[in-house]
Amino acid sequence: EIVLTQSPGTLSLSPGERATLSCRASQSLYSNYLAWYQQKPGQAPRLLMYGASNRATGIPDRFSGSGSGIDFTLTISRLEPEDSAVYYCQGYGDSPPRLTFGGGTKVEIK
Amino acid sequence: QVQLQESGPGLVKPSQTLSLTCTVSGGSINSGYYFWSWIRQHPGKGLEWIGYIYSTGSTYYNPSLKSRVTISIDSSKNQFSLNLNSVTAADTAVYYCARGTNVVAAVWGQGTLVTVSS
Repeated sequence: EIVLTQSPGTLSLSPGERATLSCRASQSLYSNYLAWYQQKPGQAPRLLMYGASNRATGIPDRFSGSGSGIDFTLTISRLEPEDSAVYYCQGYGDSPPRLTFGGGTKVEIK
Repeated sequence: QVQLQESGPGLVKPSQTLSLTCTVSGGSINSGYYFWSWIRQHPGKGLEWIGYIYSTGSTYYNPSLKSRVTISIDSSKNQFSLNLNSVTAADTAVYYCARGTNVVAAVWGQGTLVTVSS
């Protein structure tokens, strides 16, 4: 069973600063099937990134993803107030096929 | 574009079966190689994958819930459904349906809160 550990738990930054969110897998992820989601209070999660580094449709280019194997990073290059949210990483394990989510990182804008 | 909407009882008694339906609009549930998933979120907590079904009918479930879960698809109504039996208070959560491809949940419903209580 793949376990995804996200850090830090909470990130408190000012507008214009750079946010770096980490997601570490307990084993190498199948074909880099790593996605990131953004969830604002009272809303459903929204897909940000897939395949570790590909932005989903309509996602601003201040969001970027990187990593491979077991270590993955979501970077928000210049924080804006609307980026305040919880961010989840999600991986895929194929034995048996299943989706796994990390515990989330809360990004607060000062 | 495709939209998903969950529906079903907001209150279920302990030991009974939780039944939810996700109605797909703006596209056919049979089009393309998508999976149709249920994901839940306990109050104030993170996301938990419940399972998914392909339009071919193949299903995959979270091992921790597998003994209690059934996901089915009704192509004639463009819907897919979740049945979770023998529920307890621990099943109280917001339940989301989602459409995915390449093991990513790209389109989500708005979610529906289900409370398990007598």
